[in-house]
Amino acid sequence: DQQVKQNSPSLSVQEGRISILNCDYTNSMFDYFLWYKKYPAEGPTFLISISSIKDKNEDGRFTVFLNKSAKHLSLHIVPSQPGDSAVYFCAAPNAGGTSYGKLTFGQGTILTVHP
Amino acid sequence: DSGVTQTPKHLITATGQRVTLRCSPRSGDLSVYWYQQSLDQGLQFLIQYYNGEERAKGNILERFSAQQFPDLHSELNLSSLELGDSALYFCASSVVGAGGYNEQFFGPGTRLTVL
Repeated sequence: DQQVKQNSPSLSVQEGRISILNCDYTNSMFDYFLWYKKYPAEGPTFLISISSIKDKNEDGRFTVFLNKSAKHLSLHIVPSQPGDSAVYFCAAPNAGGTSYGKLTFGQGTILTVHP
Repeated sequence: DSGVTQTPKHLITATGQRVTLRCSPRSGDLSVYWYQQSLDQGLQFLIQYYNGEERAKGNILERFSAQQFPDLHSELNLSSLELGDSALYFCASSVVGAGGYNEQFFGPGTRLTVL
């Protein structure tokens, strides 16, 4: 059961334009979401997070939007830079129970930013 | 550099063998998480330890076990290895194990190849 889904395996964007990465979830108990960026041969790096009490969180070029009714979140990168080329994962920690704190990851989206 | 260290970086072994992966969390982090990333499965949660005690279990095989020592470093033991165990194994750490969300910081991973 894929509780966090990233339906686009890849995204290609021109430098300077906006990159929009999407993520859907099915578990309505999720109330916090994180985005991680991963370069080859490295571990995932935390990028930005959002709590379900907000619908938007911004950090520099990165903005995450949350639509709870649609169970959908998106990561916007503006402007996109070639160094942003990486795999992006959305993730959600369990809201409670015995697996508190574990992260459920989406399958990832490969972002390529062309100069 | 996330502050989480993992050794070894690469490990090549044969089917039926046993290996131990080691993780040192960031200074001050009490929680350690283990994840497996295989080609077709994405990042899958295996197990979590908090201050020496097992806190949560995910899709961890019975052939796999882990422990967290008094100095908070953790080891993941994989035995009776099969070809399908070939994957990247990531360790992550966070400040807390329960009560509030904190992002998890990931190590660089150990690439295990079973021949």
